[in-house]
Amino acid sequence: AQTVTQSQPEMSVQEAETVTLSCTYDTSESDYYLFWYKQPPSRQMILVIRQEAYKQQNATENRFSVNFQKAAKSFSLKISDSQLGDAAMYFCAYSNGQTGANNLFFGTGTRLTVIP
Amino acid sequence: DSGVTQTPKHLITATGQRVTLRCSPRSGDLSVYWYQQSLDQGLQFLIHYYNGEERAKGNILERFSAQQFPDLHSELNLSSLELGDSALYFCASSIRGGRYNEQFFGPGTRLTVL
Repeated sequence: AQTVTQSQPEMSVQEAETVTLSCTYDTSESDYYLFWYKQPPSRQMILVIRQEAYKQQNATENRFSVNFQKAAKSFSLKISDSQLGDAAMYFCAYSNGQTGANNLFFGTGTRLTVIP
Repeated sequence: DSGVTQTPKHLITATGQRVTLRCSPRSGDLSVYWYQQSLDQGLQFLIHYYNGEERAKGNILERFSAQQFPDLHSELNLSSLELGDSALYFCASSIRGGRYNEQFFGPGTRLTVL
């Protein structure tokens, strides 16, 4: 079974600094997708960034980037130039690449606090 | 705004009761997923429907059921409610065969069982 582990329940970062959130996963599949979702106090689930397992290049979306280490089954999220609006719960998620079997498996989340 | 709508936003009911949560996917999306977010269980996948057919089941209790209608909206029925069913229930939709398996989440329905 696929499992996703986030070992940091809470993290904090100074405004404008950089922070890295960790995620590891376990799967026997070769085709899969990885995601980071943000959940602010409004509870809305917002997709931050995604990574296809077949791509070696790390995904980047503006201030957000990932470090995808396939062999180590590691998928960390780096937030640069942190802003107050980045404060939220962040969930790492895994999805099998096969169509029809692509429900998301979530980690337990990391609560990020941004200090002004 | 993800384009996915869920009603109601909040629901307060008593143990033993039955409720129905409704979800309308984004225009054109054929897949609907239901997730439960509770304090002790985290975010868990419940069930997936594609174009009216059930495709996958996760940790869904027998007291819970779902369906997807011809207009593609979906309903999650929760019966014989227990205190532990109190949670935030999300619906998400996606395009079948979409390359990135990206799912778009609705705002959720917060269920409180008293």
